[in-house]
Amino acid sequence: DAKTTQPTSMDCAEGRAANLPCNHSTISGNEYVYWYRQIHSQGPQYIIHGLKNNETNEMASLIITEDRKSSTLILPHATLRDTAVYYCIVRVPSNDYKLSFGAGTTVTVRA
Amino acid sequence: NAGVMQNPRHLVRRRGQEARLRCSPMKGHSHVYWYRQLPEEGLKFMVYLQKENIIDESGMPKERFSAEFPKEGPSILRIQQVVRGDSAAYFCASSPPSGLRELFFGEGSRLTVL
Repeated sequence: DAKTTQPTSMDCAEGRAANLPCNHSTISGNEYVYWYRQIHSQGPQYIIHGLKNNETNEMASLIITEDRKSSTLILPHATLRDTAVYYCIVRVPSNDYKLSFGAGTTVTVRA
Repeated sequence: NAGVMQNPRHLVRRRGQEARLRCSPMKGHSHVYWYRQLPEEGLKFMVYLQKENIIDESGMPKERFSAEFPKEGPSILRIQQVVRGDSAAYFCASSPPSGLRELFFGEGSRLTVL
């Protein structure tokens, strides 16, 4: 599985967009990019996933570069409830249940 | 539509006792997964079950740990003869039976071994 690299932490002002980068330079052609987050003391929460096209849902947008070596998760209007650890995970569909949660990015949204 | 339900939320056991953690998947979900999160670490996959079948147990410790998902009732993660190193948060997730899997996680069961 492709390794991902994320910044350790980032701050964001409430109401502003939060842009979370993820590098996955060794990604294979059939590997998807997934994003999950874990709010303190809770279970992980699925956010979004994509293969090569940009994706948007009610929670976030996922922008994947044309060469697929990196991606950005965008929280359009961050709220205090978005404070969490965000995980970028690359998986193949056949065993996409084996999510490997690394250190992730600790996002702190400040009022 | 209730989410993934785990109980107990907190469990305290003494060394050598048994711990049983239960997980009821979301309605309509037939696939269950167990993950463990040790203190200050990321979640690690343990086991993937469907009704009455273990599909992938590659992340399960070789001894003392077992899991089942019976035809009726919740999935059970059983830890026999617990040791202090078993203290962790155990998360269950479920997913629908087809398509790319979006895993829905429960709130977790926190095991403390004294």
